[in-house]
Amino acid sequence: GENVEQHPSTLSVQEGDSAVIKCTYSDSASNYFPWYKQELGKRPQLIIDIRSNVGEKKDQRIAVTLNKTAKHFSLHITETQPEDSAVYFCAASMGSSNYKLTFGKGTLLTVNP
Amino acid sequence: NAGVTQTPKFQVLKTGQSMTLQCAQDMNHNSMYWYRQDPGMGLRLIYYSASEGTTDKGEVPNGYNVSRLNKREFSLRLESAAPSQTSVYFCASSQTGQGYEQYFGPGTRLTVT
Repeated sequence: GENVEQHPSTLSVQEGDSAVIKCTYSDSASNYFPWYKQELGKRPQLIIDIRSNVGEKKDQRIAVTLNKTAKHFSLHITETQPEDSAVYFCAASMGSSNYKLTFGKGTLLTVNP
Repeated sequence: NAGVTQTPKFQVLKTGQSMTLQCAQDMNHNSMYWYRQDPGMGLRLIYYSASEGTTDKGEVPNGYNVSRLNKREFSLRLESAAPSQTSVYFCASSQTGQGYEQYFGPGTRLTVT
């Protein structure tokens, strides 16, 4: 089955700095890669996603890049703010199934004021 | 729209007891999922239902059963609870097809003593 590795497990940055979280996946048939944000005690919520026919996608301060050859994708958050503090999960679709996802183990991002 | 709802929010069981976690969505989604979330383990898929009338196993199905009651409702049953099933359980739903967002419920925190 699909295996998704996520690094780092914890990340601490100063407000205004950038944060980068990286994920690798094993199944070359995976073609959908969402990122979810989970605040403490809340449900995961989608913040950005990318499909395999696109190399990069941006939404304001958030961007995701995808390297299909190397089977890795990354989340970039610029100008971090304290409200960005949360756990971030990457995920990859399970093979040719575009709706079943395998999640990474999460990155706890702390933005210090 | 309420989105995805789950009941109960919290539950404490003794080893060997049974219970059913309820999930409903009002977004007319075809696909529904049950995940468990344990510290440091990310979200792991227990069972999913691609459409009404179908269910299938995910990564960690042992000790659980599911019922897709209709298009709106998808329940998860623990027949004989074990301490290893102490976890936070999330239900999610999505359209079936290429790269649709999964919407999560608020979660059920289950403790088995």
